[in-house]
Amino acid sequence: DGGITQSPKYLFRKEGQNVTLSCEQNLNHDAMYWYRQDPGQGLRLIYYSQIVNDFQKGDIAEGYSVSREKKESFPLTVTSAQKNPTAFYLCASSIGGRRYQETQYFGPGTRLLVL
Amino acid sequence: ILNVEQSPQSLHVQEGDSTNFTCSFPSSNFYALHWYRWETAKSPEALFVMTLNGDEKKKGRISATLNTKEGYSYLYIKGSQPEDSATYLCASGGGYNKLIFGAGTRLAVHP
Repeated sequence: DGGITQSPKYLFRKEGQNVTLSCEQNLNHDAMYWYRQDPGQGLRLIYYSQIVNDFQKGDIAEGYSVSREKKESFPLTVTSAQKNPTAFYLCASSIGGRRYQETQYFGPGTRLLVL
Repeated sequence: ILNVEQSPQSLHVQEGDSTNFTCSFPSSNFYALHWYRWETAKSPEALFVMTLNGDEKKKGRISATLNTKEGYSYLYIKGSQPEDSATYLCASGGGYNKLIFGAGTRLAVHP
């Protein structure tokens, strides 16, 4: 079955630690996205990538980094500079050719908690 | 940054009731309007994408309308069933396929 997988389901971060959230898709989509959800708020865009080896900051990129070395993979690193990392993180992908009209397909999410 | 507002924040209805909720967005920056359904412990799932003023979309008992001039979209559910219980998200396309999401309407349908 085609889809998006995220791992782990739960992740615990210690003070000063960098952690990496995995996102893999087998939909052959060019575009991939990372969102953050906090209680009572809409999904907020962290980073997005329209093509391999290229990515752009979203609205809340500070304290996060990404890479896009392969079409199917878009890992997100939460660095120690992110002072409030506790949130639910969603990865998504879309075909990549029709911009704002494209449906985005979401993974199941990773919940990050700070110890 | 666009502000996309959804109302109500939550809604409780009885099985068989019809219901509707609203998504408001700035009409001056409109590109496309998306509706997603997000069931607990699952991934958000696309319902509709609408681009033209007056668009109406339907999927089973769920339908949506779009008014780009006044900046709102309605989502209707006819004869709600317990399996319709979910959070319904709307999002406005804001360039380079960035979507600006509302906080969602949480629907609970009671048997």
